[in-house]
Amino acid sequence: DQQVKQNSPSLSVQEGRISILNCDYTNSMFDYFLWYKKYPAEGPTFLISISSIKDKNEDGRFTVFLNKSAKHLSLHIVPSQPGDSAVYFCAASGTGGFKTIFGAGTRLFVKA
Amino acid sequence: DTGVSQDPRHKITKRGQNVTFRCDPISEHNRLYWYRQTLGQGPEFLTYFQNEAQLEKSRLLSDRFSAERPKGSFSTLEIQRTEQGDSAMYLCASSLLGRGTDTQYFGPGTRLTVL
Repeated sequence: DQQVKQNSPSLSVQEGRISILNCDYTNSMFDYFLWYKKYPAEGPTFLISISSIKDKNEDGRFTVFLNKSAKHLSLHIVPSQPGDSAVYFCAASGTGGFKTIFGAGTRLFVKA
Repeated sequence: DTGVSQDPRHKITKRGQNVTFRCDPISEHNRLYWYRQTLGQGPEFLTYFQNEAQLEKSRLLSDRFSAERPKGSFSTLEIQRTEQGDSAMYLCASSLLGRGTDTQYFGPGTRLTVL
């Protein structure tokens, strides 16, 4: 049972354009959502998070949007840079946060 | 550097051997997690500790797997009688419990190859 789904295995974007990575979840008990970035041979690196009491959180070039009614969140990267090329994982957890569920990841390619 | 560290980074072993991995969390973090990641998948939860207490174990964690965090600081994950299906990246993460959110910070992982 995949509680967190990233339906696009890969995404290719031109440098300078916007990258939009999508994530859907099924468990309405999730109230905290995170995005991680992973380069090859490294562990995931925390990127940005959002609590269910918000619908948007912004940090520099990265913005996460949460649509609770649709159980959908997205990560926007603008402008995209070649160094953003990595695998991006969406993750979700419930109150207390002890069990975080990850999606399968989306590989982003930013072309120069 | 005060991030999460893991040792070793790579381990190649023969089927049937025992292996042990170590994780050193960020020093002030009271929670420590172990995950397993296989190709094309996100990290899968294995177990977690709050201080020295192991509070949850996934059904993925068979009786060949055991984890400890004896003094609430570093943790070890042992796999006994390894099988080829145990080949994966084993990730450790730590967090500081507070205000209902739990942002976990990951180490670089230990890649296990069972021949």
